[in-house]
Amino acid sequence: GEDVEQSLFLSVREGDSSVINCTYTDSSSTYLYWYKQEPGAGLQLLTYIFSNMDMKQDQRLTVLLNKKDKHLSLRIADTQTGDSAIYFCAEPPSGSSNTGKLIFGQGTTLQVKP
Amino acid sequence: NAGVTQTPKFRILKIGQSMTLQCTQDMNHNYMYWYRQDPGMGLKLIYYSVGAGITDKGEVPNGYNVSRSTTEDFPLRLELAAPSQTSVYFCASSASRQRGGYEQYFGPGTRLTVT
Repeated sequence: GEDVEQSLFLSVREGDSSVINCTYTDSSSTYLYWYKQEPGAGLQLLTYIFSNMDMKQDQRLTVLLNKKDKHLSLRIADTQTGDSAIYFCAEPPSGSSNTGKLIFGQGTTLQVKP
Repeated sequence: NAGVTQTPKFRILKIGQSMTLQCTQDMNHNYMYWYRQDPGMGLKLIYYSVGAGITDKGEVPNGYNVSRSTTEDFPLRLELAAPSQTSVYFCASSASRQRGGYEQYFGPGTRLTVT
């Protein structure tokens, strides 16, 4: 079946860069997503990338997509304590057009130390 | 706009009791979803709906039921609660067509404990 895999935990120092990695299974996905979940809250869309792009930059965020290896990464530059959260990678399951469904990874907990 | 609202925020149920988790969205979204989140397991889709009167099962539907009589409301019903249903439940909604694919908007969650 389809699966989205992420490592569970990442710890960095404030001011360093963070890189969160994700592997996915459906090579036909048109969009791939990163969501952020702050403590005690629901998920919020952080950024997304269209499958015909290799890279997308949005202020401190850089998304890299390697379609050959089905690998997605999220880089946060100059990581701040406010970036401490759980980050989820997500893709639409195959054959799910017109449903809006997403498959989420397990989530990577980012801990930022002062 | 309030976005997606969920009630209650917290609930403790005894084994065998029933309850309904409420979800309402005011964005006129056609698509709505119920997820459960267990530690280290990500989100699992319980049920979803592509419009009023239409619902379908997700990955983990057993022990739950839903209805969608209006565009705004998508309640989740637990009959005969079991300890395995202890989890955090999230409702989400998305528009049927938009740039950037389907952005799902999430409610704040309901933390349910079954003892």
